[in-house]
Amino acid sequence: GEDVEQSLFLSVREGDSSVINCTYTDSSSTYLYWYKQEPGAGLQLLTYIFSNMDMKQDQRLTVLLNKKDKHLSLRIADTQTGDSAIYFCAESSTTSYGKLTFGQGTILTVHP
Amino acid sequence: DTEVTQTPKHLVMGMTNKKSLKCEQHMGHRAMYWYKQKAKKPPELMFVYSYEKLSINESVPSRFSPECPNSSLLNLHLHALQPEDSALYLCASSQEIQKAYNEKLFFGSGTQLSVL
Repeated sequence: GEDVEQSLFLSVREGDSSVINCTYTDSSSTYLYWYKQEPGAGLQLLTYIFSNMDMKQDQRLTVLLNKKDKHLSLRIADTQTGDSAIYFCAESSTTSYGKLTFGQGTILTVHP
Repeated sequence: DTEVTQTPKHLVMGMTNKKSLKCEQHMGHRAMYWYKQKAKKPPELMFVYSYEKLSINESVPSRFSPECPNSSLLNLHLHALQPEDSALYLCASSQEIQKAYNEKLFFGSGTQLSVL
């Protein structure tokens, strides 16, 4: 079945850039998503990228997609303490109708 | 209005109780979802409704019973739950479900359920 992998932890200093990585196995992926979850809250859609794109930029967020290696990354520029959260990578595909496959989540900790 | 509203925010129930979780959205979305999430884990899909019909049931035990009274509302009825069912229950909605469609999910903030 489909699999999405992420590293579990990332710690950065305030003002630095953060890069969260994700790999996936499904060749039929159509869209890839990044969700943010703060403590006690639901998941918030941050950004997404169509599988035929290489890059998408949205203010402080840059998504890079290497379709050949099935590697996705989320770069957060000028990371702030308010960016501390769990970040989930997810993918939808033509073989998983109505379902998203989530990664395990990366806990981002931003130190002052 | 881009919100998915869930009530209650917290719920404590005994193993013999019957309770319901409620979810509401007014974005005109025709697909609605229930997810279960344990602490620091990804959400696990439970049910999907598409156009008010149950489309996906991920082999969820019958002590969880979903209901979609109309296109804006989604309920999850709980009966005879076990302590291991304690988790955050998240509702989500999306425009609709289609193959290769951009299934952007909008999540509610969840109900934190504790079963004693």
